[in-house]
Amino acid sequence: AQSVSQHNHHVILSEAASLELGCNYSYGGTVNLFWYVQYPGQHLQLLLKYFSGDPLVKGIKGFEAEFIKSKFSFNLRKPSVQWSDTAEYFCAVNRNNNDMRFGAGTRLTVKP
Amino acid sequence: NAGVTQTPKFQVLKTGQSMTLQCAQDMNHEYMSWYRQDPGMGLRLIHYSVGAGITDQGEVPNGYNVSRSTTEDFPLRLLSAAPSQTSVYFCASRPLMGELFFGEGSRLTVL
Repeated sequence: AQSVSQHNHHVILSEAASLELGCNYSYGGTVNLFWYVQYPGQHLQLLLKYFSGDPLVKGIKGFEAEFIKSKFSFNLRKPSVQWSDTAEYFCAVNRNNNDMRFGAGTRLTVKP
Repeated sequence: NAGVTQTPKFQVLKTGQSMTLQCAQDMNHEYMSWYRQDPGMGLRLIHYSVGAGITDQGEVPNGYNVSRSTTEDFPLRLLSAAPSQTSVYFCASRPLMGELFFGEGSRLTVL
């Protein structure tokens, strides 16, 4: 079945450590890619998105993601995490302008 | 600008009861959808709509009905609630080319 896979279920880092969260999808053809963040008790908010063009996308709060078409991947990165980045992160894929499918999420805990 | 508004925020039902989760958006988005969020499973798509009068099933449609009579509204109906439907439900909308905007969520408990 076509899907969105996030390999890390729970990541624990210390402040100032670098972050990389993996996301792979199995859809063929043209896709739109997204990363969303959900802070505790809140709804999902967009971090960044990729539609076309430069495969290195910069988002809010210092996050970036790289689209590697050959690997069907869209990994999220941040050079130096802060305690306030503690949240759950979701990768999402929209294919052919239809429904948007989400990965299972990665919970990030940043220790002060 | 209200964005996506969901009601109610919290609801407790008994098994077999029916209810409707309301969702309204004021951004004139063509696309609207309903997701449920369960621990360890991310967001799973229940139903979606690409415009008034058009609806389609997502990954987990069983036990839920939707309708889209206007661009603004997309209610989700639980016909006969079951404990397996205990979850947090999110309504979301987007323009046909764009990112999703989410409501605040509705926490449903079925006893």
